[in-house]
Amino acid sequence: EVQLVESGGGLVKPGGSLRLSCAASGFTFSSYSMNWVRQAPGKGLEWVSSISSSSSYIYYADSVKGRFTISRDNAKNSLYLQMNSLRAEDTAVYYCAREGDIVVVVGAGWDYWGQGTLVTVSS
Amino acid sequence: QSVLSQPPSASGTPGQRVTISCSGSSSNIGSNTVNWYQQLPGTAPKLLIYSNNQRPSGVPARFSGSKSGTSASLAISGLQSEDEADYYCAAWDDSLNAVVFGGGTKLTVL
Repeated sequence: EVQLVESGGGLVKPGGSLRLSCAASGFTFSSYSMNWVRQAPGKGLEWVSSISSSSSYIYYADSVKGRFTISRDNAKNSLYLQMNSLRAEDTAVYYCAREGDIVVVVGAGWDYWGQGTLVTVSS
Repeated sequence: QSVLSQPPSASGTPGQRVTISCSGSSSNIGSNTVNWYQQLPGTAPKLLIYSNNQRPSGVPARFSGSKSGTSASLAISGLQSEDEADYYCAAWDDSLNAVVFGGGTKLTVL
């Protein structure tokens, strides 16, 4: 059974940092691109970042470029999101999601999602 | 303001057919495939339609997708109470080098 479990969320002050993790199981993690998607309270979905299976291709939303870093450790079946210079507008539930097609880097549809981890940026 | 445009709300009665539109441009829907997600209250999103009109296994045939030019649509036939959810369209945008979403459509089953 495919499982994605996020962790690392919490309360952080503006300007602070946080590192999110996503532990994957039930599939060959190293074969799939992975993504981070967020949802601010009461708002819609917003794509944050994508990383290809071998980390060769990485993309970021303009809203997080230069502040967030996506990475993965295929040996540990884990996806990460290092978030620096956090702002109030980064407050959201952060989901990790698997790309649905192993030959597509991004855009094929995200077929498995984690339960999300809440990040709150507030003083 | 979302790059893809969806109506904020839609409604129907049980058994009816409803459609949700998603309008974009040549750099996103016009040149890439569209995916649709369903988000039930308090849960993570679920992939409903991928590659414009393909249903993942387990998604009922009542759900269908289509695309024409720079617009896409999600149709739900035989509406059921459990279809009450938020629906989002998404596509890759070649100009932005980003995945773009619609603002979401809240479907109410009357």
